[in-house]
Amino acid sequence: GNSVTQMEGPVTLSEEAFLTINCTYTATGYPSLFWYVQYPGEGLQLLLKATKADDKGSNKGFEATYRKETTSFHLEKGSVQVSDSAVYFCALSGSARQLTFGSGTQLTVLP
Amino acid sequence: DTAVSQTPKYLVTQMGNDKSIKCEQNLGHDTMYWYKQDSKKFLKIMFSYNNKELIINETVPNRFSPKSPDKAHLNLHINSLELGDSAVYFCASSLRQGNFDEQFFGPGTRLTVL
Repeated sequence: GNSVTQMEGPVTLSEEAFLTINCTYTATGYPSLFWYVQYPGEGLQLLLKATKADDKGSNKGFEATYRKETTSFHLEKGSVQVSDSAVYFCALSGSARQLTFGSGTQLTVLP
Repeated sequence: DTAVSQTPKYLVTQMGNDKSIKCEQNLGHDTMYWYKQDSKKFLKIMFSYNNKELIINETVPNRFSPKSPDKAHLNLHINSLELGDSAVYFCASSLRQGNFDEQFFGPGTRLTVL
């Protein structure tokens, strides 16, 4: 079946630091890949997505590239802000047309 | 003009009770979902539903049942609540059930079973 493995948190960074959250997946066929963000006390929001190999999704300074050869979709941001503190979820949608989520990575950015 | 709304936001109840959580979406989407998020933030799909098909995650106990009075609503009924049902429950919707489609999430309902 499908699965998503995310780097375990929590991750604590200083403001303006570089962020990488690793995500790898196992799936049959050609899944779509997503990053969702959950701010404290809220539901999940789509951050970015990529639907085919070598696509790069980007939004709000975050980006991730769909790498089929390494089955990865790592999230990066060049300079994080305090307002980026949240839980980040990598997810895939495959032939079952349902989202499979990773375990989530808690990010805390300190001023 | 909330896209996906859930009520109540908090629900505290005793073991053995029956309760419902309501979900409504005003996006005109065809497909709705229920997820359970445990205390470690792990998210698990419980159901996906459109007007043609209900897909149930086989690990979900049959005490949980979705009810859809119309396309804009998917309510979650839970019978004989157990301590292990304590979690945050999220409703979501998407335009279709395709694998490209973004899902829009509600704010969540925190269920506490005492």
